[in-house]
Amino acid sequence: QSALTQPASVSGSPGQSITISCTGTSSDVGGYNYVSWYQQHPGKAPKLMIYEVSNRPSGVPDRFSGSKSGNTASLTISGLQAEDEADYYCSSYTSSSTLYYVFGTGTKVTVL
Amino acid sequence: QVQLVQSGAEVKKPGASVKVSCKASGYTFTSYDINWVRQATGQGLEWMGWMNPNSGNTGYAQKFQGRVTMTRNTSISTAYMELSSLRSEDTAVYYCARSTCGGDCYSFDYWGQGTLVTVSS
Repeated sequence: QSALTQPASVSGSPGQSITISCTGTSSDVGGYNYVSWYQQHPGKAPKLMIYEVSNRPSGVPDRFSGSKSGNTASLTISGLQAEDEADYYCSSYTSSSTLYYVFGTGTKVTVL
Repeated sequence: QVQLVQSGAEVKKPGASVKVSCKASGYTFTSYDINWVRQATGQGLEWMGWMNPNSGNTGYAQKFQGRVTMTRNTSISTAYMELSSLRSEDTAVYYCARSTCGGDCYSFDYWGQGTLVTVSS
């Protein structure tokens, strides 16, 4: 079971919108609505931003939104802010025989 | 407020074992699964396994089968992750994380602060 594929880096200017993709297979992203997204600042624990494809936990700004099409999930950050600069990881339940849960490779978001 | 507080950093020699604790507070410990995730320096997140604190049932990633054991002490609301036969590649920050709900949830809403485990001769 390989990690889900994300772009290594994405950048944008303050106020712009960016989208991070997360590509898996029909055994994970494409087969279940259990895609989550985490934000991680340097030296900190990950923070849940989106769960079950498009749901935001309380306290997460509505600038963050999630979607899925086929085997690819996406996280969109609208109105990019300086504090959004961080690493982002997608994750999904998987029906793989070797594990239950798989993370993406991670994307570094830079606010220009 | 929900908190997961982990034990402190560890330095171990190759071949040794390490046991990391994760003390939960602010919620009913037995109502939510605890997962363990690790992150090597500069690398991504890697899921290791889960434990149901109520039943003690566990599920491990095949990569760690035979080397990892997840247990709990419900009287003190604490989960444990023990990893044996340590090698240098196990050097990482280890996190405990709570499942978002008490049923079929596959996301983690609260995380511990992380425990750095260094494996070095």
